[in-house]
Amino acid sequence: EAGVAQSPRYKIIEKRQSVAFWCNPISGHATLYWYQQILGQGPKLLIQFQNNGVVDDSQLPKDRFSAERLKGVDSTLKIQPAKLEDSAVYLCASSLVQVRLGKNTEAFFGQGTRLTVV
Amino acid sequence: LAKTTQPISMDSYEGQEVNITCSHNNIATNDYITWYQQFPSQGPRFIIQGYKTKVTNEVASLFIPADRKSSTLSLPRVSLSDTAVYYCLVGDRNNAGKSTFGDGTTLTVKP
Repeated sequence: EAGVAQSPRYKIIEKRQSVAFWCNPISGHATLYWYQQILGQGPKLLIQFQNNGVVDDSQLPKDRFSAERLKGVDSTLKIQPAKLEDSAVYLCASSLVQVRLGKNTEAFFGQGTRLTVV
Repeated sequence: LAKTTQPISMDSYEGQEVNITCSHNNIATNDYITWYQQFPSQGPRFIIQGYKTKVTNEVASLFIPADRKSSTLSLPRVSLSDTAVYYCLVGDRNNAGKSTFGDGTTLTVKP
């Protein structure tokens, strides 16, 4: 089974520039998450999609961050303009919606995109 | 969302059993307990999940007391490759990625 694909793996930009990250979740996973992980900290949820609708974006800095999931499959996370404090790893994860009783539920994570803002 | 508390770091030696305890005093009735492992430059990876009592799979065991206010991840006979950050999460099992990650426990396994 193919995992969650993210690109690019690494990105270096100057502050005030814009950047976009792409995620392709596991086939059949209706739920998609974007996380921000700052060095030394655990991942922080930015936004959650159910198919192509936003379920939770309460922690997304909406003045500079945006995300979309057209057609309920791939997703793009954008930062415009970037700030130094946006330097982090951006993780995409996906999970099933309905889980059969007795089965584990888990979020499957991609390898992330490491963003450095200089 | 329930908050979790874990030790910041732990050291162990190869071949030993490692137990990492997580406190989650305000766990809700519907919450499950899930543990993830994260290696450098990779995303977190699911280890084990449970609701109560004991759960065991091929890589770990999870012990949950009756009051469910804490849980213990047990890694038998660790090796150098088990050096990683381990996260304890509590949350609705039907919203797997919504649970809040803390800062995790950095386990260092020494030869």
